[in-house]
Order: sequence, then C-alpha cells, then structure tokens
Amino acid sequence: DGGITQSPKYLFRKEGQNVTLSCEQNLNHDAMYWYRQDPGQGLRLIYYSQIVNDFQKGDIAEGYSVSREKKESFPLTVTSAQKNPTAFYLCASSIIRSTGGYSNQPQHFGDGTRLSIL
Amino acid sequence: EDQVTQSPEALRLQEGESSSLNCSYTVSGLRGLFWYRQDPGKGPEFLFTLYSAGEEKEKERLKATLTKKESFLHITAPKPEDSATYLCAVQKRGSRLTFGEGTQLTVNP
Repeated sequence: DGGITQSPKYLFRKEGQNVTLSCEQNLNHDAMYWYRQDPGQGLRLIYYSQIVNDFQKGDIAEGYSVSREKKESFPLTVTSAQKNPTAFYLCASSIIRSTGGYSNQPQHFGDGTRLSIL
Repeated sequence: EDQVTQSPEALRLQEGESSSLNCSYTVSGLRGLFWYRQDPGKGPEFLFTLYSAGEEKEKERLKATLTKKESFLHITAPKPEDSATYLCAVQKRGSRLTFGEGTQLTVNP
C-alpha cells in the first residue's frame, strides 16, 4: 500500500538537543511538506520542497531545518534554537500539476510525530 | 490577509441527526478548497477538493458544497464512526494552504 510513514510516533527532547523526525513516502509525489499542529490552531507550514535538493521556508521555519536528498524522504530537524518545540508534527506530500508556486493538488498526510520536552 | 473560519468549534449530534459544518474564507483568487477528516492522534485524511463556486462533491454520508464566500460539509444521517475533527483549508493562486482550526464532531449512538 502506498502512503506516508512518519517515525517515531512519540519523541522526547532534552534541553539543548537537536532531534530529527523522519518522513518517507512511496506515492511517487514530487512535493513534500512539514506542518506543526498546536491545540486550538490550524496547521502551520514549516518547510516545503517541490524537488530533490531544493526546499523553501514556510510561515514558521525558525528553529527548524530540513533536507531533501531523495524524492522519497524529507526529514525535519528540530534544533535547540526552537524554544517551544512541543507539538504534533505532520508530514504531507502531493503531486504537482503545474510548475512554479504551490501545487493545488490535495496533500496526503502521515500519522504524525508527537514531540515533547523532557 | 487570508482567513479561514470554521464553525461551530464543536458539534454534538445524535445518530441519524443530519447537520452541516461551515467553512468561511476571505481569499482572493481561490485556487482550491480542501476538506479533511482527522481522528485523534492521526494525520488528516483527505475527503474533498472543490475548485469553483457551485461545485458539489459527495462521499457516502458527506456532501461538500462551495460558494464564493464559504463551504459547507453536510452530514446526512451520521453514525458514531463519523465522529472526528473536520478541517477546512483554502489555497489562493501562487500561495500555500491556509487551514482553519477545525470542527470537532461527536455523534452519539
């Protein structure tokens, strides 16, 4: 079955530590996205990528970093600079029907990673 | 600034009691409106995309409609398994998705 796999499901971060969240997809989608979900707020975009070795900042990129070395993989690192990392992190992917700008095709999501501070 | 407002925040229904969820938006040049269902501790599951006013889409007990200012998600004769949070997101030309805060639906047997 095609889909998006996020791991781990739960993650705990110590003070001053960087942690990396994994996202793998086998849908052959070009575009991949990272969102953060907090209670009472809509999903907020952290980073997105439309092609290997290229990615753009979203609305709340500070304290986060990403890489896109393979089409299937888009890991997110939460650095120690992110002072409020406790949240539910969601990875998504979509096809791209036109070049430039954001795809207007539906995004498909993984089941998330819940990050907490120790 | 693009805004998406979902109402009500929470809705409790009896099994079989039909109702509607609302998604109001202020976006110029709408490129797409998306509905998702999210279960606790899970990622959103895609339901519908609507691209232009007047468009309607159906799936089982759900029907989504779109006007120039809002979208409705109609739920006909809901069952307890329809309990979830329903998310609406809009996209304008050349821009990212803007998500609403969701409507938490509970259907009691």
